[in-house]
Amino acid sequence: AQKVTQAQTEISVVEKEDVTLDCVYETRDTTYYLFWYKQPPSGELVFLIRRNSFDEQNEISGRYSWNFQKSTSSFNFTITASQVVDSAVYFCALRCPRSNDYKLSFGAGTTVTVRA
Amino acid sequence: DTEVTQTPKHLVMGMTNKKSLKCEQHMGHRAMYWYKQKAKKPPELMFVYSYEKLSINESVPSRFSPECPNSSLLNLHLHALQPEDSALYLCASSHGGGRSLGPQHFGDGTRLSIL
Repeated sequence: AQKVTQAQTEISVVEKEDVTLDCVYETRDTTYYLFWYKQPPSGELVFLIRRNSFDEQNEISGRYSWNFQKSTSSFNFTITASQVVDSAVYFCALRCPRSNDYKLSFGAGTTVTVRA
Repeated sequence: DTEVTQTPKHLVMGMTNKKSLKCEQHMGHRAMYWYKQKAKKPPELMFVYSYEKLSINESVPSRFSPECPNSSLLNLHLHALQPEDSALYLCASSHGGGRSLGPQHFGDGTRLSIL
């Protein structure tokens, strides 16, 4: 069975602070894919990144960066110099093609509030 | 702007009404999905269509009836809904069929309220 745990329910920061969102996943599959999505108050889930299990390179995209560590089954997400527009719910998700083909297993989500 | 378009944005209906939610994408994706999302919860998968054929029904009650008229359109027909069906309904699509490993792209959703 697949499982994604986002232990942080809510995080509140002041603008320009860095914020790190934790994501821990569980799967017995050796091939799997990890995703992060952002959901602003408007409702749309915005795709941020996909990482496959064979690629442990960390990635940076503007103010966003991701740290994938298979040894700890974690795929953490950092927003550097946060802005008010970063306020949203962030979901980490896991997909295991072999054991559960179509399904995205979502974490519970972390609500990020950035105060001006 | 999202590349997956959902209409209407908001819908209020009585328990005896019949209504439909619509979803459209023009990215050439061949897998389309319906999700239900309650407040402060992650999305829950309802249906998956792959190449216009229903591939997955996650034990959804028959008062929800999906339809995929063509590769760009996905409908969700609603009939005799219950108050607990009030939620945000999200449509998504992904490249290739359902077995494709491309990311799912979501629409803005329809906020449904059942009176």
